[in-house]
Amino acid sequence: AQTVTQSQPEMSVQEAETVTLSCTYDTSESNYYLFWYKQPPSRQMILVIRQEAYKQQNATENRFSVNFQKAAKSFSLKISDSQLGDTAMYFCAFMKLGLYNNNDMRFGAGTRLTVKP
Amino acid sequence: NAGVTQTPKFQVLKTGQSMTLQCAQDMNHNSMYWYRQDPGMGLRLIYYSASEGTTDKGEVPNGYNVSRLNKREFSLRLESAAPSQTSVYFCAIEPGTSGRAWNTGELFFGEGSRLTVL
Repeated sequence: AQTVTQSQPEMSVQEAETVTLSCTYDTSESNYYLFWYKQPPSRQMILVIRQEAYKQQNATENRFSVNFQKAAKSFSLKISDSQLGDTAMYFCAFMKLGLYNNNDMRFGAGTRLTVKP
Repeated sequence: NAGVTQTPKFQVLKTGQSMTLQCAQDMNHNSMYWYRQDPGMGLRLIYYSASEGTTDKGEVPNGYNVSRLNKREFSLRLESAAPSQTSVYFCAIEPGTSGRAWNTGELFFGEGSRLTVL
């Protein structure tokens, strides 16, 4: 079974600075997706960014980018120019590429990020 | 919340009581999911439904039943609640209708239902 590990339970960053959240995973699959989801205090889970394992280029979405190291099974999230609204719980998630009715998404335990003014 | 509505948002039960969490989508997507979220454990999949009338077990299905009687609604039932089922429950949908072969993993979640079992 796939496992996802987030080794940083809590992190903080000053507003406008850059922070990197770590994630490692364990799998024997070669084709899969990796995700970062954000859960603000409102509890609503929101997709931040997605990476397909077959793509060598790291995904970016505005201030959010990833460092995907397939051989090392590492998938970190970098948030640039941190904003107060980035304060949230961040979850790393793994899903193997599969048929439409075969979802098996696994989440890490989460990293609580606080952006300080 | 991308059209995913969960009810109730809060519920307190006594051990042994039963209840049903309701999830409804206002779109026409095939895939719906139920997760539970516990501190230090992230989200874990309870059950999912790839289409109307079909359901499959996820990672932690014991103690739960689900029903997908129509495309819009996916309910989660606790027949005999236990304190270990105290959690926050999330319903999610995966956009897409018939004709697509592969999962994308881009889920849209409801706002969650906090359940406490005493």
